[in-house]
Amino acid sequence: GAVVSQHPSWVICKSGTSVKIECRSLDFQATTMFWYRQFPKQSLMLMATSNEGSKATYEQGVEKDKFLINHASLTLSTLTVTSAHPEDSSFYICSARALGSTDTQYFGPGTRLTVL
Amino acid sequence: SQQGEEDPQALSIQEGENATMNCSYKTSINNLQWYRQNSGRGLVHLILIRSNEREKHSGRLRVTLDTSKKSSSLLITASRAADTASYFCATYNFNKFYFGSGTKLNVKP
Repeated sequence: GAVVSQHPSWVICKSGTSVKIECRSLDFQATTMFWYRQFPKQSLMLMATSNEGSKATYEQGVEKDKFLINHASLTLSTLTVTSAHPEDSSFYICSARALGSTDTQYFGPGTRLTVL
Repeated sequence: SQQGEEDPQALSIQEGENATMNCSYKTSINNLQWYRQNSGRGLVHLILIRSNEREKHSGRLRVTLDTSKKSSSLLITASRAADTASYFCATYNFNKFYFGSGTKLNVKP
């Protein structure tokens, strides 16, 4: 089956630093990747849609300068949380949609970010 | 949530019993999907039902969809302790997925 990995699986950083999270599709090409955040005991909130070779599309209320997304290849998208603050602490999950697919997405295992 | 609500928010049952979770959504959809999430982990896709389908089965799972009421239900029959997890519905439209608020299921052995 299609596998999506995320790295790191968890990260702890100091307030003010930037953190990069990678999302990779291991055995398929993904033209589109999605980034979600999930607060404890809550649902997943779509943050942005990342298309290979073009700018990401952000959901309303998500700061694009705060959450930088790069989708440089068909197998890799990165999310950089810039100048992280404690309120950015959350579980970040990516998903990938395979080339030619329209309604199936494969989820990564998530990255737990804790900002001190 | 961005799309809709699920109820109940939490459900506790005994092993062997059936569990039913409901999902309501706000906009028209192409399809609706159900996912499961174990605590602190990623999501596992369970089943997809298209907007022109009314019912679908997969093993112990049964999903219904009522587009006129903008609602769906997930039934897990003969539940097991290993079914303990959070369950989310997700609607797909305009190339995006939006998740419901989730139901936390606890199956007691």
